[in-house]
Amino acid sequence: DAGVIQSPRHEVTEMGQEVTLRCKPISGHDYLFWYRQTMMRGLELLIYFNNNVPIDDSGMPEDRFSAKMPNASFSTLKIQPSEPRDSAVYFCASSFAGRTQYFGPGTRLTVL
Amino acid sequence: QQPVQSPQAVILREGEDAVINCSSSKALYSVHWYRQKHGEAPVFLMILLKGGEQKGHDKISASFNEKKQQSSLYLTASQLSYSGTYFCGTDSVTSGSRLTFGEGTQLTVNP
Repeated sequence: DAGVIQSPRHEVTEMGQEVTLRCKPISGHDYLFWYRQTMMRGLELLIYFNNNVPIDDSGMPEDRFSAKMPNASFSTLKIQPSEPRDSAVYFCASSFAGRTQYFGPGTRLTVL
Repeated sequence: QQPVQSPQAVILREGEDAVINCSSSKALYSVHWYRQKHGEAPVFLMILLKGGEQKGHDKISASFNEKKQQSSLYLTASQLSYSGTYFCGTDSVTSGSRLTFGEGTQLTVNP
């Protein structure tokens, strides 16, 4: 079975540009999580969904960040406008019934 | 509240043992252990759900003392492939499915 799929794997953009990260969870999983990992802040949860509904977005840093899950097999994390401090690795993870989380390969975002 | 992991880093020779600890100031419902190699995604190792529970996977095992709000990961007869950063993720009864991860313990196994 395919694991969590994320795209793109690498993204380099300039400050002020819009960035969209994409995630396809494992089929049958009902929870989806977006994380950000940096050296300074470690691995932090941004938002998570249950059955496509956002449950906890308290980790979303500011209004420039938004996430959607239009169906059970697709989610996006959008940053508009992007800033250099948004540079990080963004992971998507999915789980069944909220238990074991399986991480995707991540998107390495660099904002110049 | 972020769980506290100790030690921050450990260097071993192949075949040696190591213990990584994870403690929280909050009452825990479960503890999840992950290993992350450089440039890769965190990989799930095991989950512990009840106080006093102990689990094992090959030569890696873990315990969870619910009363002390602590978990320990035991790596015995370490192999080169064990190198990486180990994270514990914790949740509480009130946190739902939200995991809070520790800062990680960097483990290096040398030949």
